[in-house]
Amino acid sequence: RKEVEQDPGPFNVPEGATVAFNCTYSNSASQSFFWYRQDCRKEPKLLMSVYSSGNEDGRFTAQLNRASQYISLLIRDSKLSDSATYLCVVNTYTGGGNKLTFGTGTQLKVEL
Amino acid sequence: DTEVTQTPKHLVMGMTNKKSLKCEQHMGHRAMYWYKQKAKKPPELMFVYSYEKLSINESVPSRFSPECPNSSLLNLHLHALQPEDSALYLCASSQGDRGRPGEKLFFGSGTQLSVL
Repeated sequence: RKEVEQDPGPFNVPEGATVAFNCTYSNSASQSFFWYRQDCRKEPKLLMSVYSSGNEDGRFTAQLNRASQYISLLIRDSKLSDSATYLCVVNTYTGGGNKLTFGTGTQLKVEL
Repeated sequence: DTEVTQTPKHLVMGMTNKKSLKCEQHMGHRAMYWYKQKAKKPPELMFVYSYEKLSINESVPSRFSPECPNSSLLNLHLHALQPEDSALYLCASSQGDRGRPGEKLFFGSGTQLSVL
């Protein structure tokens, strides 16, 4: 089983749609969680951190369920500019450093 | 624009060559990372330097040799690479606090490496 798993997609949605991405992780000792966005041929960029209480940043809402080892990202009112690959990232601090493991990524295509 | 600078942006090398990738950040971050990314795959962790000491080596072959001369610089020395090592090599940094490295990564734009 991979450490961090996501549905690879692609998710093709019309502009204005709501889309949800899911992610599961296998290491119950993982401490912190993030969503990154990666555009084609560009570096990954931090989108948002994920907390158990749920957190929202504009049209984006992230949620963590530690018991189920499950992370989600909800995008409301999708824009064309949201088209990208969304990467779930799980951090396990090993005492010496952070081991941040990326999920396989989910590709989103927002269409007119 | 990214605040982590990587050079060169592109590199083509033969299997007998020795080359180095360079990464620099001036954000005062105390952890630096090397990731390898193949096409249509997620980044894979290679090395982590925390407070200028190698803290994680993900069983990377010895033909890849990292070096952290100071807190702002990170190098990756390459020697006797194989064609399957062709990939995008990404450097990242994260802030440190009270001796513990931060978790939020800031990536450079990467070096696209081709091994012939």
